Amino acid sequence: QKEVEQNSGPLSVPEGAIASLNCTYSDRGSQSFFWYRQYSGKSPELIMSIYSNGDKEDGRFTAQLNKASQYVSLLIRDSQPSDSATYLCAVNEGGATNKLIFGTGTLLAVQP
Amino acid sequence: DAGVTQSPTHLIKTRGQQVTLRCSPKSGHDTVSWYQQALGQGPQFIFQYYEEEERQRGNFPDRFSGHQFPNYSSELNVNALLLGDSALYLCASSLASSHLTETQYFGPGTRLLVL
Repeated sequence: QKEVEQNSGPLSVPEGAIASLNCTYSDRGSQSFFWYRQYSGKSPELIMSIYSNGDKEDGRFTAQLNKASQYVSLLIRDSQPSDSATYLCAVNEGGATNKLIFGTGTLLAVQP
Repeated sequence: DAGVTQSPTHLIKTRGQQVTLRCSPKSGHDTVSWYQQALGQGPQFIFQYYEEEERQRGNFPDRFSGHQFPNYSSELNVNALLLGDSALYLCASSLASSHLTETQYFGPGTRLLVL
């Protein structure tokens, strides 16, 4: 059973701080990794994708991938109250389709 | 550029009934995947449609079935509804390719409540 694990939180950070969200996955063959943000009652919204080891930056967001250790992380710099949401880590299972396996999500609360 | 659309937004059914959910993919996309998200959980893969065929199926019973039309839109049908089928049903669209990095974009979802 291929798994993606996340700490459910809540992760509470003060406004302006760096929020660090982590995710581990079980399938060494996975090649594509995604972070989605989900506000309460809404659908997941793509934040970042990463495919190669190392860091990928997009504005205030940085995704980090370490395939040897099988973990993915998301850093949010200068956290804002509007960043408060559940962050879902998703891993492409591979094979003929791009089936995504999701973690249960980490709830982030940014305190003003 | 229209994003992924789903209908209806909310639905209330009783046990034993049947339901049909609809999805139109993002413009230019040809692949539709369906996910079920129970409260407090991550989305769970139901199945994926490409070229009007079911390409892969997750661990869901045969009560869950689907269809893709020539215009790439898709339907999810659930028969003999159970209380446990209450969830947010998400449609995700993508563009098929041999590369594994295609991104899936989610629609707003249909919230189904089974009483």
